[in-house]
This record gives sequence, structure tokens and C-alpha cells, in this order.
Amino acid sequence: DIVLTQSPGTLSLSPGERATLSCRASQSLSSTYLAWYQQKPGQSPRLLIYGASTRATGIPDRFSGSGSGTAFTLTISRLEPEDFAVYYCQQFGRSPRVFPFGPGTKVDIK
Amino acid sequence: QVQLVESGGGVVQPGRSLTLSCAASGFTFSSYAMHWVRQAPGQGLEWVTVISSDGLKKYYADSVRGRFTISRDNTKNTLYLHMNSLKAQDTAFYYCARELISIVGTGFDYWGQGNLVTVSS
Repeated sequence: DIVLTQSPGTLSLSPGERATLSCRASQSLSSTYLAWYQQKPGQSPRLLIYGASTRATGIPDRFSGSGSGTAFTLTISRLEPEDFAVYYCQQFGRSPRVFPFGPGTKVDIK
Repeated sequence: QVQLVESGGGVVQPGRSLTLSCAASGFTFSSYAMHWVRQAPGQGLEWVTVISSDGLKKYYADSVRGRFTISRDNTKNTLYLHMNSLKAQDTAFYYCARELISIVGTGFDYWGQGNLVTVSS
């Protein structure tokens, strides 16, 4: 099975700064099957990016996704106060049909 | 608007059973694959299981296979998670989630509010 690794574990930044979050897969996967989520304390996760680079409905354009193969990136161009949260990547497996999440990256205020 | 409302959580003793429900509204439930995802308190997200739109295909994480069963009733727009032989490590918030339909990729585009299951004697 493909294992997802996210780095860094915690990213300490100030509002207005650029955030770059990494998600690495243990085997190459199609970019079609890579998604990113944001989760704030006490809330359900929210889909940000699917297909590695397509923003979900209502997601601001400061969020962007990129990558292919085994290396994927979520970039937040300029951090807003509401962006401080935990971010997860997720793989949509075709065979076997499993949908693991990465361990998450916490973006907190410096 | 799309809504997913979970119910059925609570405190249960180890070895016992519990069933969660997820009532869907605001979309054509029978057209979407549906998932359960859980999150132990203070921990990350763990995918649990998926059921196809017609209910015929089901897949499970290794951690729950043989103990948990996913099902759905498309006439009632409701998703279920039947949990047997519960263990302390099953303690978590359980979320139901809808799988997005798109030609460019997929993701879980709508989530329930989460329902806490605590396995404790």
C-alpha cells in the first residue's frame, strides 16, 4: 500500500507569509487521486484541492496545489489569520481501494 | 444545501456493538459513494470504509475489517456503520463524508459534523 508522508510536522509563520506544505508518496500515484484538506479545531475537515491542483468550490485562490508522481505541494500564497490550521493530504487508491491520509502539517502563528 | 447529519454515538463497553447513522439531504444520495472517516481525540484522520453508490461494493481499512460493516439505504437517504467487537482504540470522532464526482479528480467534498464514540468500561 502507498504511504503518505507530510512535512514539516509544524510550520510556524506570520500572517502574510507564504506557506509551502509537502506531501510525499511511497510509490508514484496519479495526480488525479491526490487531495488536500484543512481542519480547524473543533471542526470537520474541508476539501481544499482535488486532482492535485483543482481548487474545490469556494476555496480562495491563495490556495494552490501542484506536483506529480511521488511529490505534491500545497501552497498558501499569503497566510490569512483564518488559515492557521492542520492540513492533510489524501490518496485515492484504485487498487487496492483504500484512501489513506497523511499525518498532517500544522500551520501555526509565529 | 447538502447536509450530512450523524447520530448514534456514545459510550460503549469493550467487546460490545454500536451502529452509527448518517442522514443525507440536499443531493441525490443514490448517486454518490460514501465514506466513514474517524479521528481519535487529538490525532490525525483515519479513513475507515467506503460503499459504492449502489451499495454493492464495500472496502475497509485493515484496522476494522471483519469487525465493522458499512451499509446504506438509498430509499431513506441514510448511511450506516455497524461496529462490532469494539476496542478502546476505536474511540474517536466518526465522520461520514461524500465522495466528489469529477473527471479531474476526487475528494471528500462534504462532511458530517462528527459523532464521538467512546469505548470504555
